[in-house]
Amino acid sequence: GQQLNQSPQSMFIQEGEDVSMNCTSSSIFNTWLWYKQDPGEGPVLLIALYKAGELTSNGRLTAQFGITRKDSFLNISASIPSDVGIYFCAGINYGGSQGNLIFGKGTKLSVKP
Amino acid sequence: EAEVAQSPRYKITEKSQAVAFWCDPISGHATLYWYRQILGQGPELLVQFQDESVVDDSQLPKDRFSAERLKGVDSTLKIQPAELGDSAMYLCASSPSGVTDTQYFGPGTRLTVL
Repeated sequence: GQQLNQSPQSMFIQEGEDVSMNCTSSSIFNTWLWYKQDPGEGPVLLIALYKAGELTSNGRLTAQFGITRKDSFLNISASIPSDVGIYFCAGINYGGSQGNLIFGKGTKLSVKP
Repeated sequence: EAEVAQSPRYKITEKSQAVAFWCDPISGHATLYWYRQILGQGPELLVQFQDESVVDDSQLPKDRFSAERLKGVDSTLKIQPAELGDSAMYLCASSPSGVTDTQYFGPGTRLTVL
């Protein structure tokens, strides 16, 4: 089945540093999504990307939909302690009425004050 | 802001017992999803509903799992009998009208099977 390779698996950074993570796939996706999940909670949508090449920002977050439609990246600028959590990329490939949301395995972000 | 509601938040059960989880999607959302998330992994789809109809249950272990959305609003996911390997977070999500729409997740139910 379709799989997303998300990297890095974990990151330990200093407050104020920029962060970059990415997702790649052997399959094409129509939509890329980035979610953040705090411990014991459900994923919260950060950014949605619908077009190849699209670059979208949400505050200090910026994400891009790769031109090949097989990859996406998420950047966080000037990290703060509340950025701690697990970040998941997810892709959708539509097929009729179905379109499974395929998740990566997550990037665990730790921020040192 | 409208949210997806799930209950219970935590459930501890013994092997071979039956468990049930409830989800109330965002009002007006026609599509409802149940996911299972094993610790350290991303969520994986179990079943997708469009209104009251099952659209995709290809990954649902049907020998022990069942899901229903009788009136096309809230939904119940049941496991009977529970096995040790079922310990996971069970997440419900909803979207306005279909797979092209953004999915919004509830807080999840953390299941522990002893």
